[in-house]
Amino acid sequence: AQSVAQPEDQVNVAEGNPLTVKCTYSVSGNPYLFWYVQYPNRGLQFLLKYITGDNLVKGSYGFEAEFNKSQTSFHLKKPSALVSDSALYFCAVRALNSGNTPLVFGKGTRLSVIA
Amino acid sequence: DGGITQSPKYLFRKEGQNVTLSCEQNLNHDAMYWYRQDPGQGLRLIYYSQIVNDFQKGDIAEGYSVSREKKESFPLTVTSAQKNPTAFYLCASTPLTWPGDYGYTFGSGTRLTVV
Repeated sequence: AQSVAQPEDQVNVAEGNPLTVKCTYSVSGNPYLFWYVQYPNRGLQFLLKYITGDNLVKGSYGFEAEFNKSQTSFHLKKPSALVSDSALYFCAVRALNSGNTPLVFGKGTRLSVIA
Repeated sequence: DGGITQSPKYLFRKEGQNVTLSCEQNLNHDAMYWYRQDPGQGLRLIYYSQIVNDFQKGDIAEGYSVSREKKESFPLTVTSAQKNPTAFYLCASTPLTWPGDYGYTFGSGTRLTVV
């Protein structure tokens, strides 16, 4: 079975400070990993993905994520937070060799960046 | 521009009434998905379809039905058997050559409220 855990319901950070949104996963074999962002009453927007290759993945809006296989983690990071980064963030996973199995999403982490 | 269109944006249902949520995509994607979003529960899979005239139940299919008569369209019917349908519903699609650029492409969602 595939699963994703986002241990923090809410993350608060001051504008200009670095931010981290945590994600751990469980799959059989190697994973596809994704981060999506959701603004109020909108669909999810793609931020970045990890399939293979470099463990540090760079994505949209200055976000990046580090894949750590030994810790089964894929934490989302940004060096300097902006107020406009305030949104709901979702981590998602699927096993690399699972055919067309749907993505499994975490419960989401609400990021609040305070000016 | 290619994308996914969900309609209506807001929908109100009376007790005992069936309602249908529309999802149309012009991305030439093969697979389509319906998720339900409730506060604090993340995204839960209702149904998905990988090809025309075929679909599979997700984790919370009870009280819902779907059809896939055309590649572009994947409507979701919320039946009177769904006892707690008030939620935000998201439609998504992916290409056959998964994950493509973004994994899932999402629509903007439909907010369903029981009155």
